[in-house]
Amino acid sequence: EIVLTQSPGTLSLSPGERATLPCRASQSVSGSYLAWYQQKPGLAPRLLIYGVSSRATGIPDRFSGSGSGTDFTLTITRLEPEDFAVYYCQYYGSSPLTFGGGTKVEIK
Amino acid sequence: QVQLQESGPGLVKPSQTLSLTCIVSGGSISSGSYFWSWIRQPAGKGLEWIGRIHSSGSTVYNPSLKSRVTISIDTSKIHFSLNLSSVTAADTAVYYCARGAIVPGGNYIFDIWGQGTMVTVSS
Repeated sequence: EIVLTQSPGTLSLSPGERATLPCRASQSVSGSYLAWYQQKPGLAPRLLIYGVSSRATGIPDRFSGSGSGTDFTLTITRLEPEDFAVYYCQYYGSSPLTFGGGTKVEIK
Repeated sequence: QVQLQESGPGLVKPSQTLSLTCIVSGGSISSGSYFWSWIRQPAGKGLEWIGRIHSSGSTVYNPSLKSRVTISIDTSKIHFSLNLSSVTAADTAVYYCARGAIVPGGNYIFDIWGQGTMVTVSS
C-alpha cells in the first residue's frame, strides 16, 4: 500500500499569494497515477488534477500539478477567495487507492 | 449531466449491517467506461476508499475492510449499493459514492461524487 503524506497540515496565506502544497509517497508512484482534490466544508471533494499534471474539466489554470517518483506538488499561483479549502492528494495506480491526510489552506 | 445521490439510514446499531444505495441519474451505470466506488470520511478526518464495482459485476475492495464489505450493482435500476457488516463506532463517517472514470492504463479517477450521507453507529 502506498502511503501519502501531506505536510504541513495547514497553510496560512493571504489572497493573491502563491500556495505550494507538497505530497510525499512512501514508494515511487509509477504511471503518473497521482491526483489532487479540493474539498470545501460540507461538500464532496472535487477533482482538480489527475495524471500528476492534467487539469480536470473546468479547473482554472492557476492550479497546476508537478512531480515524479515520490514527491509531488500542487501549486496555486494566485489564491482567490474561493480557493481556501482542504486539498488531498490521491494515488490511483493500484489497489488500495489511497489519499493523503490533506492540507488546509486558510486565510491568514 | 450525471448526478449521484446516496440514500440509507443515518443511524445503525453496533454489530449490525450498514446498507447504502447510490442512485445514478443523467447517465448510464451500464457503461463499461466507469467504475463505481464508495469512499468514506470520518468527521474532521481524511478520505478512505472502501471499494469499487464495474457494470460487469467485478469488484475490488480495500483490504482493510474486505472481510466486511459487499458492493453490488443493479444496472436495470441504475443504482449500486454498499453493505458493511459488523459495524462499530469506528465506522461512523460521511459515506460518498463516486464515479471512477477509466483513464489509459485501466486505472480510474473520481470525477463525479455524490453529496455524501452521514452514518452514525450508536446504540
